[in-house]
Amino acid sequence: DAGVIQSPRHEVTEMGQEVTLRCKPISGHNSLFWYRQTMMRGLELLIYFNNNVPIDDSGMPEDRFSAKMPNASFSTLKIQPSEPRDSAVYFCASSLARRVAVGPPQHFGDGTRLSIL
Amino acid sequence: LAKTTQPISMDSYEGQEVNITCSHNNIATNDYITWYQQFPSQGPRFIIQGYKTKVTNEVASLFIPADRKSSTLSLPRVSLSDTAVYYCLVLPRGSTGFQKLVFGTGTRLLVSP
Repeated sequence: DAGVIQSPRHEVTEMGQEVTLRCKPISGHNSLFWYRQTMMRGLELLIYFNNNVPIDDSGMPEDRFSAKMPNASFSTLKIQPSEPRDSAVYFCASSLARRVAVGPPQHFGDGTRLSIL
Repeated sequence: LAKTTQPISMDSYEGQEVNITCSHNNIATNDYITWYQQFPSQGPRFIIQGYKTKVTNEVASLFIPADRKSSTLSLPRVSLSDTAVYYCLVLPRGSTGFQKLVFGTGTRLLVSP
């Protein structure tokens, strides 16, 4: 079974450039999550979607960050302009949410390691 | 969300049983306890989830006492490949089903030969 697929695996770019991270969730899953992990702050939820609709973006650090989910099989996280403090590992996760359910397991991709110089 | 407390790190040797305890004193009636595992350079992976008493799967066992204020993740006969960070999370049963995971610092388990 194909898991959550993220691309690129590594990205190194200069400050001020636009960065686009991509995610393909597991087929059939209806919820998608973007997380960021750093040594200082640990694993933080940035935004999550249900049925392609953003439900909670309170974790998005600032207006430089935006996320879209144009269809059930694709999502992007964009940073424009990028800054050195955005350097982190960005994870995408998906799950199959059902009504009256408890924490359906989230399946994570292997992440994108982003370095902003 | 109930706050969780777990040891920052643990050391073990191959073949030993490892028990990682998590405290969640403010757990609510509808809360479930969930554990994730994260290997280096990978995303977290769901291990096990439970509400009370004991849950066992092919990877681990989860022990939850009657007062549910703590829980213990038990890994039988660990191997080097069990070296990872283990996260304890408390999740409310939600009417919509999708859950906002809040990860703490986790427990870094190091298994040595």
